[in-house]
Amino acid sequence: DADVTQTPRNRITKTGKRIMLECSQTKGHDRMYWYRQDPGLGLRLIYYSFDVKDINKGEISDGYSVSRQAQAKFSLSLESAIPNQTALYFCATSVAGGGTEAFFGQGTRLTVV
Amino acid sequence: GDSVTQMEGPVTLSEEAFLTINCTYTATGYPSLFWYVQYPGEGLQLLLKATKADDKGSNKGFEATYRKETTSFHLEKGSVQVSDSAVYFCALSGTNSGYALNFGKGTSLLVTP
Repeated sequence: DADVTQTPRNRITKTGKRIMLECSQTKGHDRMYWYRQDPGLGLRLIYYSFDVKDINKGEISDGYSVSRQAQAKFSLSLESAIPNQTALYFCATSVAGGGTEAFFGQGTRLTVV
Repeated sequence: GDSVTQMEGPVTLSEEAFLTINCTYTATGYPSLFWYVQYPGEGLQLLLKATKADDKGSNKGFEATYRKETTSFHLEKGSVQVSDSAVYFCALSGTNSGYALNFGKGTSLLVTP
């Protein structure tokens, strides 16, 4: 089994719908992150969490919310999806501190129509 | 704020050719630097890293040296293979955003037989 698991892997939803992307990890890491990847733009940070009670906005948090239900689970929600949120979404985890490797899930491809 | 600039692709090389992908950064303090690779349909995985000036990261024949004087971390490989075809991301981890990775836009590499 993968260390960082994202569900669903693919999703098509309609404009205005609420959708949740889920991430779970078995690495025992405190830190978890959500990124989105767009062609030609690389990966951009949406939210990050140091632990269950510490959640922080990233570069592009508008239109998104998150929930850290447990150390191992970090969910990303789009309250009212819009077409420009069509992207590939990645969850990642790491231990605390600088210079440490981040481990990524396989990604969720979200299409908003 | 922190930022990473890497050469745009796509880069197309013949098998056994020499590879260089340029990466420069802007950051306060002393960030850690990384190269991640994304194979088609997969998440990102760490290729190599360097955590202080003049460190050389290496893995699978790839190398990059942390050059503080030129704020660069160029990726090199002496002889590429078809299996190296992927998207390569340069990233830094600094004190901004709690050491979350800050990515460049990615460089797509295609190696032909």
